[in-house]
Amino acid sequence: KQEVTQIPAALSVPEGENLVLNCSFTDSAIYNLQWFRQDPGKGLTSLLLIQSSQREQTSGRLNASLDKSSGRSTLYIAASQPGDSATYLCAVMGRDDKIIFGKGTRLHILP
Amino acid sequence: DVKVTQSSRYLVKRTGEKVFLECVQDMDHENMFWYRQDPGLGLRLIYFSYDVKMKEKGDIPEGYSVSREKKERFSLILESASTNQTSMYLCASSFQGPIITYEQYFGPGTRLTVT
Repeated sequence: KQEVTQIPAALSVPEGENLVLNCSFTDSAIYNLQWFRQDPGKGLTSLLLIQSSQREQTSGRLNASLDKSSGRSTLYIAASQPGDSATYLCAVMGRDDKIIFGKGTRLHILP
Repeated sequence: DVKVTQSSRYLVKRTGEKVFLECVQDMDHENMFWYRQDPGLGLRLIYFSYDVKMKEKGDIPEGYSVSREKKERFSLILESASTNQTSMYLCASSFQGPIITYEQYFGPGTRLTVT
């Protein structure tokens, strides 16, 4: 059964620093991996989607990579800002079409 | 922009009541999903649907049912609400391509409290 893990559960970083969030999954037979952002009490906002055939995707200051063989993905945030403070979740879609979410990393950017 | 809307942001119901949560998307997406989100447990899939009148059980379907009579609308039904169904409920939708899959778009969520 697919399991998705995000470590650490919480992270505090000074403003301006570059940072990396990690996501690991146990079954490499996936269709895609998606990174989301969630602000407190709100729904999820899609950040990046990586298809299983891709290695990375970029959007502005965000870069997501995927290494299926090792069961890992990273979300790189460049030049962090206080507005980046949120919970970041990754989700994988398996061959059974089910989507499994990690429990998220709560990010706090210190002004 | 894709828009996914949910009928209520906050809802308070009594134990035993029948509860309807509505989700509407405006982008002609084939796939629609219902999740619940609880502290320490993350998001868990309740039901999903590939097309009108189609439904598939997710990981935690017990105590819930769904209805998809029109492509744009996916309803989650709590037949007899219980206190352990107090949670944040999130709806999502996505295209289903022939080869690749597309990203999910989420609604704002409904925070349901059952007393």
